[in-house]
Amino acid sequence: GALVYQYPRRTICKSGTSMRMECQAVGFQATSVAWYRQSPQKTFELIALSTVNSAIKYEQNFTQEKFPISHPNLSFSSMTVLNAYLEDRGLYLCGARDQTGRAEQFFGPGTRLTVL
Amino acid sequence: GDSVTQKEGLVTLTEGLPVMLNCTYQTIYSNAFLFWYVHYLNESPRLLLKSSTDNKRTEHQGFHATLHKSSSSFHLQKSSAQLSDSALYYCARTPSGYNKLTFGKGTVLLVSP
Repeated sequence: GALVYQYPRRTICKSGTSMRMECQAVGFQATSVAWYRQSPQKTFELIALSTVNSAIKYEQNFTQEKFPISHPNLSFSSMTVLNAYLEDRGLYLCGARDQTGRAEQFFGPGTRLTVL
Repeated sequence: GDSVTQKEGLVTLTEGLPVMLNCTYQTIYSNAFLFWYVHYLNESPRLLLKSSTDNKRTEHQGFHATLHKSSSSFHLQKSSAQLSDSALYYCARTPSGYNKLTFGKGTVLLVSP
């Protein structure tokens, strides 16, 4: 079956430092990977969408300078939260979609970021 | 713009009673897919249901939902709640052929004995 792993599951960083998180797709080819953030008391919000062989598209209020993303192959993606502050805390989800044309995304369990 | 509304933040039920979680959406796209995801604590959100054509019912694992474009709704239903159904449920949508999911705020379903 299709599985998505995320690492680390939980992390704590000091305010002003950076944190890198990873997403691994197993059992299918992750043609596109979407990164979401769920801030406390809010729903999931799309940060950016990465499609292999295409430019990464960031949503309004999110930038490459703040959330650089790498998607080097069909099984792996990483995102870094640069210069993290309190408002960056939350659960970061990776959603990967295969190349069969279905609209379904497979999600990882998320990386929970705490900023001190 | 695009949005998904789940008006209930918390639904509490006794085991055996029917379940209905509301989901309505607003969209500028004529075609869109609607989804229900179930999210258990410390696990990955898992796809529960995906919409089909207008007014067609989709079913999975005892749950069902029908996309009604006339009312922009995709309510989740189950005839008889089980204790194991207790979880967080998200309604989400995506434009046809696109990868961006817009989530509702989620509804916590608590089923008690």
